[in-house]
Amino acid sequence: AQKITQTQPGMFVQEKEAVTLDCTYDTSDQSYGLFWYKQPSSGEMIFLIYQGSYDEQNATEGRYSLNFQKARKSANLVISASQLGDSAMYFCAMRETINTGTASKLTFGTGTRLQVTL
Amino acid sequence: NAGVTQTPKFQVLKTGQSMTLQCAQDMNHNSMYWYRQDPGMGLRLIYYSASEGTTDKGEVPNGYNVSRLNKREFSLRLESAAPSQTSVYFCASSEWHLEMGGYTFGSGTRLTVV
Repeated sequence: AQKITQTQPGMFVQEKEAVTLDCTYDTSDQSYGLFWYKQPSSGEMIFLIYQGSYDEQNATEGRYSLNFQKARKSANLVISASQLGDSAMYFCAMRETINTGTASKLTFGTGTRLQVTL
Repeated sequence: NAGVTQTPKFQVLKTGQSMTLQCAQDMNHNSMYWYRQDPGMGLRLIYYSASEGTTDKGEVPNGYNVSRLNKREFSLRLESAAPSQTSVYFCASSEWHLEMGGYTFGSGTRLTVV
């Protein structure tokens, strides 16, 4: 079974600084995908960034980048130039193939609560 | 452009009562999912439907049943609610070939069982 581990229950970062949120995963699949979601206090799940297991370059989306180290099975999220609006819960998730490759499901980590301070 | 719509948004039940959480998507996705979110535990998969006509248990299915009514709708039923089912419930849908942006979540249902 796939497993996602986020070891940081909470993190603080000063505004305008960069922060790294850790995520490690465990899978025996060769093909998989890694996601990061943001959940603000309002509760909705907001997709941030995606990395496929065969992608050779690290994914980037604006201020978000994913530091993908396949051999170490880690997929850390880096947020550059933190803003007050980045304060939220962040979840790492992995896509697992099911039904002989015709469907998939997500397994989530327990999340990291990020607080951006002035 | 609704995406995934969940109803209701909030619900309070008494122990032993039953209720059905409704979910509908308008993106023509094949797969649909029900997750629950509890503090410190992330989102855990309750049931999923890989395609219309199929449903399967996820990580925490006990106490729940599901129905994939058609391609658009996937409902979650609590037959006899228990305080342990107090949680936030999310419905999601996906399409296999849409890897990156392929998962869309509803806004959640906050359920309290007293």
